[in-house]
Amino acid sequence: EPEVTQTPSHQVTQMGQEVILRCVPISNHLYFYWYRQILGQKVEFLVSFYNNEISEKSEIFDDQFSVERPDGSNFTLKIRSTKLEDSAMYFCASTRGQGWQPQHFGDGTRLSIL
Amino acid sequence: QQPVQSPQAVILREGEDAVINCSSSKALYSVHWYRQKHGEAPVFLMILLKGGEQKGHEKISASFNEKKQQSSLYLTASQLSYSGTYFCGTFRDNNNDMRFGAGTRLTVKP
Repeated sequence: EPEVTQTPSHQVTQMGQEVILRCVPISNHLYFYWYRQILGQKVEFLVSFYNNEISEKSEIFDDQFSVERPDGSNFTLKIRSTKLEDSAMYFCASTRGQGWQPQHFGDGTRLSIL
Repeated sequence: QQPVQSPQAVILREGEDAVINCSSSKALYSVHWYRQKHGEAPVFLMILLKGGEQKGHEKISASFNEKKQQSSLYLTASQLSYSGTYFCGTFRDNNNDMRFGAGTRLTVKP
């Protein structure tokens, strides 16, 4: 069964550095998402992406965040100047249809900011 | 905008039943249920659409009450493998994005 793959599984970065998290969604999916989960807390929506542009973003997704789909397969989340509070698990998800189809999640990238 | 889940946590013995609720103050298009085990990604269980009910698994089923904007997840004859945190995710319409509830931690003991 096709799956969403994320790399790296764990990223350790110094505060203030830029980090790029990578995701390969399922190939026939059209909608792509990034979520964040701080340890022990709920899954928080960051951003959704459809037709090569952001369709919605949450209040968490401020100017330090950006997303790209550079080559038609990868979907990336960039954090420009990381802060300690960015430490979390970041999940990528994809789906064929908004609302009426399940979202398939990758295994996540654990981001640790020192 | 985010749904409210209850209870926050529940502890069961194997074979017991549980109900987890998810409610919204806004009209919903669909409710999704996911289970997350510690250190893993959320795994899709089922979707309930406005106007219908979808049963995803044999001993795990769910309902969606449109009048109350509430969904309930029913776990019957629980097994050890049911342990995890259950999240509901809600869509207000077909064009916006999912918001998760805070989760219900389910522990099944032998």
